Amino acid sequence: AQSVSQHNHHVILSEAASLELGCNYSYGGTVNLFWYVQYPGQHLQLLLKYFSGDPLVKGIKGFEAEFIKSKFSFNLRKPSVQWSDTAEYFCAVWGNNRLAFGKGNQVVVIP
Amino acid sequence: EAGVVQSPRYKIIEKKQPVAFWCNPISGHNTLYWYLQNLGQGPELLIRYENEEAVDDSQLPKDRFSAERLKGVDSTLKIQPAELGDSAVYLCASSLGRAETQYFGPGTRLLVL
Repeated sequence: AQSVSQHNHHVILSEAASLELGCNYSYGGTVNLFWYVQYPGQHLQLLLKYFSGDPLVKGIKGFEAEFIKSKFSFNLRKPSVQWSDTAEYFCAVWGNNRLAFGKGNQVVVIP
Repeated sequence: EAGVVQSPRYKIIEKKQPVAFWCNPISGHNTLYWYLQNLGQGPELLIRYENEEAVDDSQLPKDRFSAERLKGVDSTLKIQPAELGDSAVYLCASSLGRAETQYFGPGTRLLVL
């Protein structure tokens, strides 16, 4: 079964700072890639996804992610965060008939 | 469009008691999933249904957990008897197909005392 690694579980940064969250996976076959976000008190929501095509994908709220197949990575970025981006972010990889999640990144944006 | 509906949102029970969770997926979504999420972890799959058939239940602890999806629409997950270690959030998700985007419900937060 595939595994998904997310590092730096807790991230604290100030508004207007740039954010990058790393995601690496272990599965060598064809994958679909996702980033989900969970705002405080809310349920998991899709932020963006990659199935095929342009490896640079744009999602909601100014987020983007880049799929680098050779590095088995799907890193999430946002050039300038806002207080409302405080949330937990999960990378997920569909492969081998299953969606595997990373442990998540808890991001706190200080006004 | 209504999202995935789950009930109850919270449940507190004593160990050895039974408990059940209910999920209604997004209309038209044939694939339904139950996940377990422990604190500080990502969701982990318990079972996946394609219509009314459980096609992946390898992660379901079958000695105490059971699930059903009668008529291929809503689903129930049961634990009997519950143990202290079952305290977690139980998430339901649905999708159009097995590799498609999964949409999650709000979850049921279970506390076993």
